Amino acid sequence: EVQLVESGGGLVQPGGSLRLSCAASGFTFSSYWLHWVRQVPGKGLLWVSRINDDGSSTTYADSVKGRFTVSRDNAKNTLYLQMNSLRAEDTAVYYCARWSDYYGGMDVWGQGTTVTVSS
Amino acid sequence: DIVMTQTPLSSVVTLGQPASISCKTRQSLVHSDGNTYLSWLQQRPGQPPRLLIYKISNHFSGVPDRFSGSGAGTDFTLKISRVEAEDVGVYYCMQATHFPYTFGRGTKLEIK
Repeated sequence: EVQLVESGGGLVQPGGSLRLSCAASGFTFSSYWLHWVRQVPGKGLLWVSRINDDGSSTTYADSVKGRFTVSRDNAKNTLYLQMNSLRAEDTAVYYCARWSDYYGGMDVWGQGTTVTVSS
Repeated sequence: DIVMTQTPLSSVVTLGQPASISCKTRQSLVHSDGNTYLSWLQQRPGQPPRLLIYKISNHFSGVPDRFSGSGAGTDFTLKISRVEAEDVGVYYCMQATHFPYTFGRGTKLEIK
């Protein structure tokens, strides 16, 4: 079964750091670009970051640029999001999603992990 | 950033009746490669988003035929021919032609 499973969310104080992980299974991980998308509870979706298949190219939303770093370990089939200098407005559910070149869309989504930034 | 203007923001539909959601942008979503990366996603309560329609009008695997997408350029529509109980949730349009990728605000579909 094709699957993405996020972990690493939790409660962190403003200014703190957290690293999210997204474990993939059921497909050739190293062949796909991957994205992070977040959602404030009860609100809409916001694209956060993407990384290409070999990890050599990354892109970020302006709101997280310089604070968040996306990376991947293709040997471990795992995607990461290192989040530093966290702010209250980063509080959200964070989803990892697979980009399919065939479909031209995000065809597989994880269940999400919740990040709460609060003192 | 590309603003995806999605309407309505909520819709109450009688079972078996049609539903329609509009998504408009001010800038064309036609990519330089000739594709239009406009998707529709469904998010059922308590679930992650799920791809329904890709590149304007193509059904993702397992998506019922009662869902259809149409449009071109800057104006797109998702239609449900006959709403069923399992269609309750929030529907989002998403563009992946221009960075940053952006989503509509979502349309909450409820059943009457």
